[in-house]
Amino acid sequence: NAGVTQTPKFRVLKTGQSMTLLCAQDMNHEYMYWYRQDPGMGLRLIHYSVGEGTTAKGEVPDGYNVSRLKKQNFLLGLESAAPSQTSVYFCASSYGQVNGYTFGSGTRLTVV
Amino acid sequence: AQTVTQSQPEMSVQEAETVTLSCTYDTSESDYYLFWYKQPPSRQMILVIRQEAYKQQNATENRFSVNFQKAAKSFSLKISDSQLGDAAMYFCAYVRGSNYKLTFGKGTLLTVNP
Repeated sequence: NAGVTQTPKFRVLKTGQSMTLLCAQDMNHEYMYWYRQDPGMGLRLIHYSVGEGTTAKGEVPDGYNVSRLKKQNFLLGLESAAPSQTSVYFCASSYGQVNGYTFGSGTRLTVV
Repeated sequence: AQTVTQSQPEMSVQEAETVTLSCTYDTSESDYYLFWYKQPPSRQMILVIRQEAYKQQNATENRFSVNFQKAAKSFSLKISDSQLGDAAMYFCAYVRGSNYKLTFGKGTLLTVNP
């Protein structure tokens, strides 16, 4: 099925551990995004990319890094996980604003 | 900075009735887009309806319609003939025409009572 695929869907990390979340889209979208969703906070933009090889900071970038080496993939890294990074992470992609944004199914990350 | 405000953390409606979810936004831009997304318990984000700011006509999608008041910076969602499957978290979102960063409100949890 065409769309945005996130892996893994669930993960538990210990404080200080590192991990990478993978986002892949097969719609040839230029723009890709990482959001985090926390109760009562809506979705907040962590980092985004406007094309292959580019990345930029969003609203809450601290503690995260990203890479967009291939157009279809957008990776989100946590170098040293903290309990404050316990959240549901969503990847999204878009071609432009008019048609909206396609979201992945989310990754629930728990840092203990 | 653009902000999106959903003043109703929770709403409830009886099945087959109509409910309106509120959203206001703050912007100095004239070119922008507004969206309503639905997030059911499955966690998937589903686009419900979109509105281009330059269009005066309110968008409609089957049972879903919006009341877009540009001067008041208001973008409410009306759900007619509510169904049990409409129960979900609903997010209002904004993006300005000059970039692609989507900004969300904090959401409204809609309960549909049988």
